Amino acid sequence: GQQLNQSPQSMFIQEGEDVSMNCTSSSIFNTWLWYKQDPGEGPVLLIALYKAGELTSNGRLTAQFGITRKDSFLNISASIPSDVGIYFCAGYLSGSARQLTFGSGTQLTVLP
Amino acid sequence: DTAVSQTPKYLVTQMGNDKSIKCEQNLGHDTMYWYKQDSKKFLKIMFSYNNKELIINETVPNRFSPKSPDKAHLNLHINSLELGDSAVYFCASSQVLVRGEAFFGQGTRLTVV
Repeated sequence: GQQLNQSPQSMFIQEGEDVSMNCTSSSIFNTWLWYKQDPGEGPVLLIALYKAGELTSNGRLTAQFGITRKDSFLNISASIPSDVGIYFCAGYLSGSARQLTFGSGTQLTVLP
Repeated sequence: DTAVSQTPKYLVTQMGNDKSIKCEQNLGHDTMYWYKQDSKKFLKIMFSYNNKELIINETVPNRFSPKSPDKAHLNLHINSLELGDSAVYFCASSQVLVRGEAFFGQGTRLTVV
């Protein structure tokens, strides 16, 4: 099956710093998604990407769909304490599978 | 007006029991899912279901079974619970013919003792 490698596994940053995390896949997707999970909650969709090369922003978040369709990155600028959580990438390939494949997550800690 | 809601949020039960987790979505989506999140936070698909097709992850024990009374509901039944079933279970839904984004419920933390 498809495998998603997400890195880094965890990050400790100072408030105000920028953050970057990425995902790579062994095969192509036609949608890349980025989710955030707060403790005790379900994952919440942050950004969705639908075209190779697409660059999309949502406030301080920016994500890109790699041109090979096998990778994506998420940047967070000027981090704040509420950015703390687990960030997941997910890839979707339409067809009979009809399901998302998730990365292993990046645990982000923002230090004051 | 929660989009995807699941109950209960917490479930503590003894080994060998049978339990169910309920899920409802009011987004009008055509497909619903169950995911399992283990202690390392990995999210693994268990089932994908719409009114035409059930796709089962082959690694899921047959003690787990989804039941869908209608398009807006997908319940998870678990028979003969084992200690290793302890995890957080998430229900999700999406409109697969559109773009595939899944929207998640708040999760059910199952603890088997």
